Amino acid sequence: DAGITQSPRHKVTETGTPVTLRCHQTENHRYMYWYRQDPGHGLRLIHYSYGVKDTDKGEVSDGYSVSRSKTEDFLLTLESATSSQTSVYFCAISEGVNEQFFGPGTRLTVL
Amino acid sequence: DAKTTQPTSMDCAEGRAANLPCNHSTISGNEYVYWYRQIHSQGPQYIIHGLKNNETNEMASLIITEDRKSSTLILPHATLRDTAVYYCIVRGYNNAGNMLTFGGGTRLMVKP
Repeated sequence: DAGITQSPRHKVTETGTPVTLRCHQTENHRYMYWYRQDPGHGLRLIHYSYGVKDTDKGEVSDGYSVSRSKTEDFLLTLESATSSQTSVYFCAISEGVNEQFFGPGTRLTVL
Repeated sequence: DAKTTQPTSMDCAEGRAANLPCNHSTISGNEYVYWYRQIHSQGPQYIIHGLKNNETNEMASLIITEDRKSSTLILPHATLRDTAVYYCIVRGYNNAGNMLTFGGGTRLMVKP
């Protein structure tokens, strides 16, 4: 399995609080992605990165920001969490046009 | 990237071949067909991809029609562990950021 870890794996927080999710890889892949998955739906892309300090928006980026200061780490921040951001968040990595490898996911609940 | 259409759910008997169809009638010449699956609540897992020719690996076979408007993923001997949601995704080779767009997928239930 590709070396991808996500932390925390589970988090419960309150509306209005900031939350940061971390994705860490040991594969030295160039691309990193954050997706969210809601019940009964496929994954939707939030943000992605194509290199250190190089990021871009995905399909559902409102309310989220990202940062990538090192190749191995990609952080997803919810500046002020809302109940609509309750979801399962998956990180993925890839090298160029090759397949993406996904992490185990983080289950976030915003009360 | 082209849109895909898949059946919502399918059943398959254990040990038999599972054939999962995907329609991508608007696919263009430089777009690849990718298949991923998601078992329960785990992260999606890459299965196979192809452009024009049929492809086979240790997990599955991918059959793409000559006009490339549809494809079929074949799991030759389905096991209970193959129960999952299977996603067919069309992605352009020059897709900036190598992004994948997931649809609803097909929920495959392998039954004893």
